[in-house]
Amino acid sequence: NAGVTQTPKFRVLKTGQSMTLLCAQDMNHEYMYWYRQDPGMGLRLIHYSVGEGTTAKGEVPDGYNVSRLKKQNFLLGLESAAPSQTSVYFCASSRGRDTGELFFGEGSRLTVL
Amino acid sequence: AQSVTQPDIHITVSEGASLELRCNYSYGATPYLFWYVQSPGQGLQLLLKYFSGDTLVQGIKGFEAEFKRSQSSFNLRKPSVHWSDAAEYFCAALYNFNKFYFGSGTKLNVKP
Repeated sequence: NAGVTQTPKFRVLKTGQSMTLLCAQDMNHEYMYWYRQDPGMGLRLIHYSVGEGTTAKGEVPDGYNVSRLKKQNFLLGLESAAPSQTSVYFCASSRGRDTGELFFGEGSRLTVL
Repeated sequence: AQSVTQPDIHITVSEGASLELRCNYSYGATPYLFWYVQSPGQGLQLLLKYFSGDTLVQGIKGFEAEFKRSQSSFNLRKPSVHWSDAAEYFCAALYNFNKFYFGSGTKLNVKP
């Protein structure tokens, strides 16, 4: 059982380049989330989705876009990467309203030069 | 706005000593509360959670946490720390069933 899988795990970009992070979960979870983790700041919510075809903004959505075309996948896009987006990105999923527990991927380390 | 505060950035304890990590949450309604642990280079693993009922909850690896409504706190405890407990610990609160807010984390060092 893979759980939550993120690809790629590492990526180096130049300023202005674009890329997409893929999150896949095999637990049939309704809710999915993208967080970024920066030293001393904990995890900050970028975008989240409460079901297929739906997305919503979190605390720090600027510079990112997301899509949830399939229930099991949640994509995070950077259209024009900036050095401030250098971070470790975590995807997480949960079954939904009545349970709440988040299951995390192992993270994707992105460096923007 | 909702927030979660972990006042201790770093804590060092000796192996075998007891541990308490502090967590406070804001907002009027009691959220669902969680503690997660992150080992270096890894994702976050759930230690325990509180939804309602008994205010003392037991988790994995010998951890427990106590919810105190009057203090808006959800502190994590362990009676005897092991070297393998060295990691970063995050408190989190779930509001409105779909928004998780995380504290900034507490890094635990364990002295031999």
